[in-house]
Amino acid sequence: DTGVSQDPRHKITKRGQNVTFRCDPISEHNRLYWYRQTLGQGPEFLTYFQNEAQLEKSRLLSDRFSAERPKGSFSTLEIQRTEQGDSAMYLCASSLAGFKLFFGSGTQLSVL
Amino acid sequence: KNEVEQSPQNLTAQEGEFITINCSYSVGISALHWLQQHPGGGIVSLFMLSSGKKKHGRLIATINIQEKHSSLHITASHPRDSAVYICAPHSEAAGNKLTFGGGTRVLVKP
Repeated sequence: DTGVSQDPRHKITKRGQNVTFRCDPISEHNRLYWYRQTLGQGPEFLTYFQNEAQLEKSRLLSDRFSAERPKGSFSTLEIQRTEQGDSAMYLCASSLAGFKLFFGSGTQLSVL
Repeated sequence: KNEVEQSPQNLTAQEGEFITINCSYSVGISALHWLQQHPGGGIVSLFMLSSGKKKHGRLIATINIQEKHSSLHITASHPRDSAVYICAPHSEAAGNKLTFGGGTRVLVKP
């Protein structure tokens, strides 16, 4: 499978714990996006990388959230001290500049 | 005011009917994506267009950059077209992030 893959598919955690998600984009895709989606809502932009550089970060992202894309390949999104309001589907997408987006299946986070 | 407005928010059609979903945006863009999301499913990119019209099977997408408006048409709709359709303008000036519309929930009844 050469699509965008995300791991894990589901994560259940207790409030206050840290969680980390991984996204493996399609190889050679230089752009990588993280989005968050709650039930019944459209995706909300979180952050965006071009190669290894994090070019933009949404105001939605508190300082508990951090994302990295070392070497411009896979990316990780970490949430520290999780809160119940962090429960959502976290989506990753990748593209070549100027071409179609490809989305991963997402990581469903439930904070108890 | 949202930067991206879609209409209608919900749409129910009978199988075979022609469906139109509209998207208006307020920012200058370089391209616009139309995306499809089935219930419980992932998001699939249907089109990326920056001018004119694109067609893929029974789906047609049009865009008017000057009027900041795009439409997605589904011809001869089928129950398997039931999904949420989302438009997402892409602005180079806005740092290449996508801004998503709220989506149009389409239900096609047999």
